[in-house]
Amino acid sequence: ETGVTQSPTHLIKTRGQQVTLRCSSQSGHNTVSWYQQALGQGPQFIFQYYREEENGRGNFPPRFSGLQFPNYSSELNVNALELDDSALYLCASSSRDRGYYEQYFGPGTRLTVT
Amino acid sequence: AQSVSQHNHHVILSEAASLELGCNYSYGGTVNLFWYVQYPGQHLQLLLKYFSGDPLVKGIKGFEAEFIKSKFSFNLRKPSVQWSDTAEYFCAVTNSNTGKLIFGQGTTLQVKP
Repeated sequence: ETGVTQSPTHLIKTRGQQVTLRCSSQSGHNTVSWYQQALGQGPQFIFQYYREEENGRGNFPPRFSGLQFPNYSSELNVNALELDDSALYLCASSSRDRGYYEQYFGPGTRLTVT
Repeated sequence: AQSVSQHNHHVILSEAASLELGCNYSYGGTVNLFWYVQYPGQHLQLLLKYFSGDPLVKGIKGFEAEFIKSKFSFNLRKPSVQWSDTAEYFCAVTNSNTGKLIFGQGTTLQVKP
């Protein structure tokens, strides 16, 4: 069974630029959630995708957007990057159809905005 | 608004000491509760979970947690810690409708050999 993978591992961007982060869900999972983890904080929910539709969103502005593909992999896009967007971005997959919300996390993408 | 509070931000213990990390949540409905661990340089891993049934749940590596509904608490315990337990521990809650995980701030556990 393949776990959750994310790419890239690290990324450095300049304020105002755009970034795309990628996530491959664990085999058999159809739900992907994205979280932002600032240094010294717990992860904060950005949004969740289930069967290619957004299924819940946290307190993040519209410049944070996402996609889920038919194979359940997902992208997180952030436009007009700000310094405060520097964080570890985590992807988690789960199987909502089984009635559980046990989420399995990937290693994360460390984004630095300068 | 739903929230999770972890009372201990940084805990330092010697090997073989007992551990209890506090977690309180604010949510009035049915909840699912989790403890995740993040070892240095590794990704978040699930330690244990509570969905329903026996409020005392056992997880991996000798960890257990007790759900006390009247106190909105889900404290993590381990009778005897090891140096390898040094990590960041996160309590999280989700309701049965959205699957959105709400995390506490985390507790850094440092175990001295």
